[in-house]
Amino acid sequence: QSVLMQPPSLSAAPGHKVTISCSGSTSNVGNNYVSWYRQLPGTAPKLLIYDNNKRSSGVSDRFSGSKSGTLATLDITGLQTGDEADYYCGTWENGVTPRRLFGSGTKVTVL
Amino acid sequence: QVQLEQWGAGLLKPSETLSLTCAVYGGSFNGYFWSWIRQAPGKGLEWIGEISHRGNSNYNPSLESRVTISVDTSKKQISLKLRSVTAADTAVYYCARGATRFELWGQGSLVTISS
Repeated sequence: QSVLMQPPSLSAAPGHKVTISCSGSTSNVGNNYVSWYRQLPGTAPKLLIYDNNKRSSGVSDRFSGSKSGTLATLDITGLQTGDEADYYCGTWENGVTPRRLFGSGTKVTVL
Repeated sequence: QVQLEQWGAGLLKPSETLSLTCAVYGGSFNGYFWSWIRQAPGKGLEWIGEISHRGNSNYNPSLESRVTISVDTSKKQISLKLRSVTAADTAVYYCARGATRFELWGQGSLVTISS
């Protein structure tokens, strides 16, 4: 079971907005940068957002990230059919050795 | 354009050792951490471990006793070995560039453990 909790699924109509949450703790989300990944069916994940709110090269400005305390969010505006995918947040826990973490994943469906 | 290409055996029997290699083409190898991540069928992403170009490695505590990640800077390759595999290790295995964020990913290698 993942330490970072995301809603299993979200859906919205084309053109609408969807917000994906990633809930952690002070050991991870609360004190480290969060990244977001999109995984289209049958393909490798792709980095969308890093350092909480920076868009990776070539990523549409329809994608935006934010973080407040132990909760990170990914907003997708102007939803398109091509956005139908699984989305994962990622961060790490500090310690003697760092432990990299992924969220439980959210399946976004475009109605 | 940097690309990661990975390969290795796709079908293993329980108790065997999983072995995968990932090569970096078209870009710098030094100065980065390189990671292995896996995804069981229908499940989420699980970090396996990482290694720097200097050979400094960190592993997921849940797999640490069975995992070795190594690096060959002359060939710009990283390798993964997972010992004593079971059906629970059946997954798509990805190599990726980065540690605090994973900027580039390999194409993935499906490894099936079955007797």
